[in-house]
Amino acid sequence: QKEVEQNSGPLSVPEGAIASLNCTYSDRGSQSFFWYRQYSGKSPELIMSIYSNGDKEDGRFTAQLNKASQYVSLLIRDSQPSDSATYLCAPRAGAGSYQLTFGKGTKLSVIP
Amino acid sequence: NAGVTQTPKFQVLKTGQSMTLQCAQDMNHNSMYWYRQDPGMGLRLIYYSASEGTTDKGEVPNGYNVSRLNKREFSLRLESAAPSQTSVYFCASGLGQPQHFGDGTRLSIL
Repeated sequence: QKEVEQNSGPLSVPEGAIASLNCTYSDRGSQSFFWYRQYSGKSPELIMSIYSNGDKEDGRFTAQLNKASQYVSLLIRDSQPSDSATYLCAPRAGAGSYQLTFGKGTKLSVIP
Repeated sequence: NAGVTQTPKFQVLKTGQSMTLQCAQDMNHNSMYWYRQDPGMGLRLIYYSASEGTTDKGEVPNGYNVSRLNKREFSLRLESAAPSQTSVYFCASGLGQPQHFGDGTRLSIL
């Protein structure tokens, strides 16, 4: 059973602070990792992908991957109230696999 | 540019009834997916289609069937609805992973 663990939150951060969202996964064969943002009552949106160990930056978002520790994280710099949403971590097993295993998500609340 | 369009947005069924959820994408994506999302369970893959003409089971396929009608359309059918299938259903499309999701279908089975 492939497991993806995320702290359900809510994680509350003040506006302008760095939000750190963490995810651990059980399947050592996971090769690619995706972060989705889901606003309440809406559909998920793909916001980041990371394939190699280390950091990947895209605007205010930084994804970090450590395959040896089976750990992936998402940092949001200069957090804004509009970042308040649930963030879903989703590893993909193996190259060529179409199946992602989604975590249950971390609810982030950015306080003005 | 509509992206991924799902119909209907809401539906209430009685146990044992059948229905088909429709999904269409206009982004020329090869892969399409059906997920269900339940409180406390996260998104779970029901079926996916890697390319036109192929379909494969995901994590929770029991009670569902799918049809990849053409590159644009991927439908999900409930042959005999059960209360356990009450959920929010999302269709998605992408290039190897779900990149764009539809707005969802909120389905209640009484």
